[in-house]
Amino acid sequence: NAGVMQNPRHLVRRRGQEARLRCSPMKGHSHVYWYRQLPEEGLKFMVYLQKENIIDESGMPKERFSAEFPKEGPSILRIQQVVRGDSAAYFCASSPDRVDQPQHFGDGTRLSIL
Amino acid sequence: SQKIEQNSEALNIQEGKTATLTCNYTNYSPAYLQWYRQDPGRGPVFLLLIRENEKEKRKERLKVTFDTTLKQSLFHITASQPADSATYLCALGSSGGYNKLIFGAGTRLAVHP
Repeated sequence: NAGVMQNPRHLVRRRGQEARLRCSPMKGHSHVYWYRQLPEEGLKFMVYLQKENIIDESGMPKERFSAEFPKEGPSILRIQQVVRGDSAAYFCASSPDRVDQPQHFGDGTRLSIL
Repeated sequence: SQKIEQNSEALNIQEGKTATLTCNYTNYSPAYLQWYRQDPGRGPVFLLLIRENEKEKRKERLKVTFDTTLKQSLFHITASQPADSATYLCALGSSGGYNKLIFGAGTRLAVHP
């Protein structure tokens, strides 16, 4: 039973480049959440997706950030024209149902912007 | 605005003692509350969930309480071990129809032999 898989574990980009972060949820889970974590801070909710639908993107910056969860394949968090302030750990979590369920997290992608 | 506060300073305790971590919140009425453990370089791992109509939950050496009047949850680890050393995160969930969580910044626990 594979857990939530995120890749890459580490990603280095130069300012202005694009970053693509991938997340494969646990088998049987159709709900995916993305969070961002800065050093010494808690996880900040970014976006919640179900298959082919964005349910809540209230925590995601309006510009440069986008997320998708296609019918086939992993969920993708995409950051265009990265800036230094995008450096953080990005975590993906999945759950089998909507409400009142534990979330299962991947080990994150650490994004560094040069 | 919604605010979650956890002990910002690290908690240092002796092996075998009970560790008690606090989570306070304001401007929020969570339908449930979850506790997670996070080790350096790893993702959070779920520990316990307690609902608004429950006062206490236990799981092995772990116990969590939830006081909606005080807007506080306490997380206890009894007979603590060095392996319990980690950061513990409190997360609040809404009744808004899906599992969106709001996390506290976490408390770092160090259990010394």
